[in-house]
Amino acid sequence: GENVGLHLPTLSVQEGDNSIINCAYSNSASDYFIWYKQESGKGPQFIIDIRSNMDKRQGQRVTVLLNKTVKHLSLQIAATQPGDSAVYFCAARSNDYKLSFGAGTTVTVRA
Amino acid sequence: DTAVSQTPKYLVTQMGNDKSIKCEQNLGHDTMYWYKQDSKKFLKIMFSYNNKELIINETVPNRFSPKSPDKAHLNLHINSLELGDSAVYFCASSQETGRGGRDEQFFGPGTRLTVL
Repeated sequence: GENVGLHLPTLSVQEGDNSIINCAYSNSASDYFIWYKQESGKGPQFIIDIRSNMDKRQGQRVTVLLNKTVKHLSLQIAATQPGDSAVYFCAARSNDYKLSFGAGTTVTVRA
Repeated sequence: DTAVSQTPKYLVTQMGNDKSIKCEQNLGHDTMYWYKQDSKKFLKIMFSYNNKELIINETVPNRFSPKSPDKAHLNLHINSLELGDSAVYFCASSQETGRGGRDEQFFGPGTRLTVL
């Protein structure tokens, strides 16, 4: 199995600043990681994924960093916008093929 | 065009009742899931079906029974509802089974179940 946890349950960030959301996982056999965004009243939406054979992957305004040595994952959002306000989840797939989700970090963007 | 749809969006019912939540995906995916999200936003997988076959069955009470009439549908039936069943239930689908492939899961809008 896998235990996934986020470091901070909430994050408040000024519009235009960069955001960093951190996540830790427990199973060193986890091979695949995803970040999801969940807006109020909606289902989680895929943001970006990364396999364990990579340590960095970039998308549009988002970057995921993976440090397998310390079993840590982070999501960086560049130039945070009001539309980025949401709950962010990291998820890890371990050798039982299930995705285990962390508890979520609520990001609030201040205008 | 809704990719993953669930009905109903809200469900309020009395303890002891039996209810169903329906899920449909039009993405042509082979794998579908049910998740439960509690009041603290914690998401936990309940079931997973691949081509109508059960592949993940977490430790959930046997009052919960998934039914997959075809690979585009995965319904969740709950018997003898209890107060602790109150949560948001999400259906999701993915192309892969998670066994080595990309595991991007597409989620439905959720069904908020309230048991009184």
